[in-house]
Amino acid sequence: NAGVTQTPKFQVLKTGQSMTLQCAQDMNHNSMYWYRQDPGMGLRLIYYSASEGTTDKGEVPNGYNVSRLNKREFSLRLESAAPSQTSVYFCASVPPNEETQYFGPGTRLLVL
Amino acid sequence: AQKITQTQPGMFVQEKEAVTLDCTYDTSDPSYGLFWYKQPSSGEMIFLIYQGSYDQQNATEGRYSLNFQKARKSANLVISASQLGDSAMYFCAMREGQDDKIIFGKGTRLHILP
Repeated sequence: NAGVTQTPKFQVLKTGQSMTLQCAQDMNHNSMYWYRQDPGMGLRLIYYSASEGTTDKGEVPNGYNVSRLNKREFSLRLESAAPSQTSVYFCASVPPNEETQYFGPGTRLLVL
Repeated sequence: AQKITQTQPGMFVQEKEAVTLDCTYDTSDPSYGLFWYKQPSSGEMIFLIYQGSYDQQNATEGRYSLNFQKARKSANLVISASQLGDSAMYFCAMREGQDDKIIFGKGTRLHILP
C-alpha cells in the first residue's frame, strides 16, 4: 500500500514544452485532486475528479488538462508550459464516506 | 471572493503556550466541512482535524481542537501546550455541500520559540 504516488518528483521544462504529471493511488478512493502551491498563495485547486471518467475545473484550471481514465490514476497535463506554471504540484485523494484528503509527496516543476 | 481567509501570515509563540490559528470562511450552503492541515518544512501535507457543519460538538484530536463558531463563520485551530515540532505551515480548507471540491486558505506559518 503505497498511498498516493506522484511522478516525477522534480522536472525542469523550457517554455512551450509539454509534459504530464502522473498521480496514482492504490486505496480505491473515488475523489482525486490536483493543487498547485506557490509562496504566499496556499494551495490552489486546479482540477478535481469525483469518480472515474468525470473531471471538474477548480480555481485555476487555465493552461492545464486532466485525465481520469480509471479509478486509480489522475494525470495533469501542461500542453505548453509557461514560467507562471513554475510551482509545486500536489495530488490528493479522498476515500468514500470519509473526509480526510491523502496527499502525494508533490512534484516540483520549474519552467524556464 | 475569497472563500477561506487566514489573516495571520506568520505567528511566533513561546513553547508550551497555547496557540490559536484563525480561519474564516464564506459559504451559503448549510452543509459543509472544514479541515486543518499541517505542512512541515519537509513539505508533506498532514491532516489534523475535521469539523462538519452539522456536528454538535467542536472537533478535538489530541492537542488539536477546532473552535467552531458557525454564526461568525469561523473555524479556528487551537493547539494546546505547543511544542517545537509544531513549527510549520498550517492550512484551513473547506468543502461545500455535497460537492467534492475542496479549497484551501493561504496558510499561517507558525514558529514555536524555545
